[in-house]
Amino acid sequence: GAVVSQHPSRVICKSGTSVKIECRSLDFQATTMFWYRQFPKKSLMLMATSNEGSKATYEQGVEKDKFLINHASLTLSTLTVTSAHPEDSSFYICSVRGQASTEAFFGQGTRLTVV
Amino acid sequence: AQKVTQAQTEISVVEKEDVTLDCVYETRDTTYYLFWYKQPPSGELVFLIRRNSFDEQNEISGRYSWNFQKSTSSFNFTITASQVVDSAVYFCALSEAINAGKSTFGDGTTLTVKP
Repeated sequence: GAVVSQHPSRVICKSGTSVKIECRSLDFQATTMFWYRQFPKKSLMLMATSNEGSKATYEQGVEKDKFLINHASLTLSTLTVTSAHPEDSSFYICSVRGQASTEAFFGQGTRLTVV
Repeated sequence: AQKVTQAQTEISVVEKEDVTLDCVYETRDTTYYLFWYKQPPSGELVFLIRRNSFDEQNEISGRYSWNFQKSTSSFNFTITASQVVDSAVYFCALSEAINAGKSTFGDGTTLTVKP
């Protein structure tokens, strides 16, 4: 069964609104989760590392005020795209580091379309 | 810095042909992990294999096989007797040994298997 659940799988929103994406670890407590972004026909780019109970660590070039990450519990991390613009349209996918640090499990991804 | 190169952007084969997807990586770490993922049109990432840097044994799983050569920093993936269902984007990824969720991805190879 799925180890990581990401919701929603698809979302369409209007420009200027905010969208929240959830990433849940189903089978174990995850102190660290990761958020990736994938442009069409492109690779996955790490956006940020989400740490439970502390501030996320953002990769260079990622606007932390634009992409708000909250990791309030050991099983849930959220990514909020604030004041969305059409250029934010993308595929967002989270991953969870397993209890053995050598494992990583990916969510199903969220396809965001901003109109 | 870590880097993963998948030189083949697109490959097209006819069903039952064998096909090899190339992956070359760069890292300064002595301990690291290499992954292959399959991304079908639905978007989710399907884990195929993980290999640690100390294990250079080749691996075979059904029609899939992987050739890891540390001397050339390559981790190639071969599909034998390809099938239409193998059509997808395949990503090679590299991660730190202690942080498997934080991965550097190649640009992906789009494989099309024609009937």
